[in-house]
Amino acid sequence: GAVVSQHPSWVICKSGTSVKIECRSLDFQATTMFWYRQFPKQSLMLMATSNEGSKATYEQGVEKDKFLINHASLTLSTLTVTSAHPEDSSFYICSARDLGAEKLFFGSGTQLSVL
Amino acid sequence: AQSVAQPEDQVNVAEGNPLTVKCTYSVSGNPYLFWYVQYPNRGLQFLLKYITGDNLVKGSYGFEAEFNKSQTSFHLKKPSALVSDSALYFCAVRGGSNYQLIWGAGTKLIIKP
Repeated sequence: GAVVSQHPSWVICKSGTSVKIECRSLDFQATTMFWYRQFPKQSLMLMATSNEGSKATYEQGVEKDKFLINHASLTLSTLTVTSAHPEDSSFYICSARDLGAEKLFFGSGTQLSVL
Repeated sequence: AQSVAQPEDQVNVAEGNPLTVKCTYSVSGNPYLFWYVQYPNRGLQFLLKYITGDNLVKGSYGFEAEFNKSQTSFHLKKPSALVSDSALYFCAVRGGSNYQLIWGAGTKLIIKP
């Protein structure tokens, strides 16, 4: 079945550095990818919707200059957390829509810890 | 290996009838269980979760789910279906200290008038 690969699965970084998270659809073309954030024991929060070849649409309250999203190809979207701070520590997960199968597939998530 | 199974790709229910979307899981330790819904052309929306406590969990839009430890199941239910409930439903589990969410493949729910 369709697979979404998310990398890295966990990362620890120093405050002030930037971290890039990749989300790849391995055997289908994903015109739309979603990025979510989840705090401990809470549900997923949609951060942004990424459409291939165009600017991402951010949810209210999400800083687009802080969370840079690039969706330059039909199989890859990246989320860059710029100048990370401890409050950015969270679990980030992506999902990709397979239009052909009318299905949504999820990455396994990235746990970010900012020291 | 940790896994989540949603055995039905699609569930068809007549409006006003009760609905059930099935989910079974395999995880080490105590599971955290979630149900999410995706309406057409929208991202995921949280429905409900089980962390601990009462086995029957009530969530958004009149949905509820029952945690059954012996059967390792967390089926989603609603007493009376609405046409607007038609969507994709995803079950997810997180086990113990593992931060990663394991997702079911999704079940398409179709409610017919």
